[in-house]
Amino acid sequence: GENVEQHPSTLSVQEGDSAVIKCTYSDSASNYFPWYKQELGKRPQLIIDIRSNVGEKKDQRIAVTLNKTAKHFSLHITETQPEDSAVYFCAASIRYSSASKIIFGSGTRLSIRP
Amino acid sequence: DTAVSQTPKYLVTQMGNDKSIKCEQNLGHDTMYWYKQDSKKFLKIMFSYNNKELIINETVPNRFSPKSPDKAHLNLHINSLELGDSAVYFCASSRYYEQYFGPGTRLTVT
Repeated sequence: GENVEQHPSTLSVQEGDSAVIKCTYSDSASNYFPWYKQELGKRPQLIIDIRSNVGEKKDQRIAVTLNKTAKHFSLHITETQPEDSAVYFCAASIRYSSASKIIFGSGTRLSIRP
Repeated sequence: DTAVSQTPKYLVTQMGNDKSIKCEQNLGHDTMYWYKQDSKKFLKIMFSYNNKELIINETVPNRFSPKSPDKAHLNLHINSLELGDSAVYFCASSRYYEQYFGPGTRLTVT
């Protein structure tokens, strides 16, 4: 069945350093890969996404890369700041006729050390 | 101007009771979803509706019944609540790919 694996489960980096979270997916029909940030007690918020026809996308300090052949995708956060501390979820989505089924990774708890 | 809203925010109830959670979106999206987030933060899709029609129905017990009176609303009714139903339930909506989540309903079954 569909599966998304995410590593690491926890990540602690010094403020100003970079953080990298990696995911793999199993279903080759997946064609959309969103990343969500969830702060404690809050809703998951979409921070960046990438479609299957693109290899890389950047938005200010965050970037995502996608390797469809290897079924790998990654989130890169540069110049980390305290407000980046949260749980990050990768996901792989398959589009059906009128809905998208998103399979989430297990999450990475990112802590930024001052 | 809340995009996706849910009520109630917290729900504490006893085993065996029946409860409902309501969700509304004002984004004009055609598709709405219910997700369950367990104590380990794992997010799993439960249902998806498009314009009041059930599209995705994961392996969820029959005690869970979604209802969509119109495309802006998707409610979740749970019968005979069990301890294992304790979780945060998120509603979400989308037009194409991007999904936007509601604030969540923390359900505690005692």
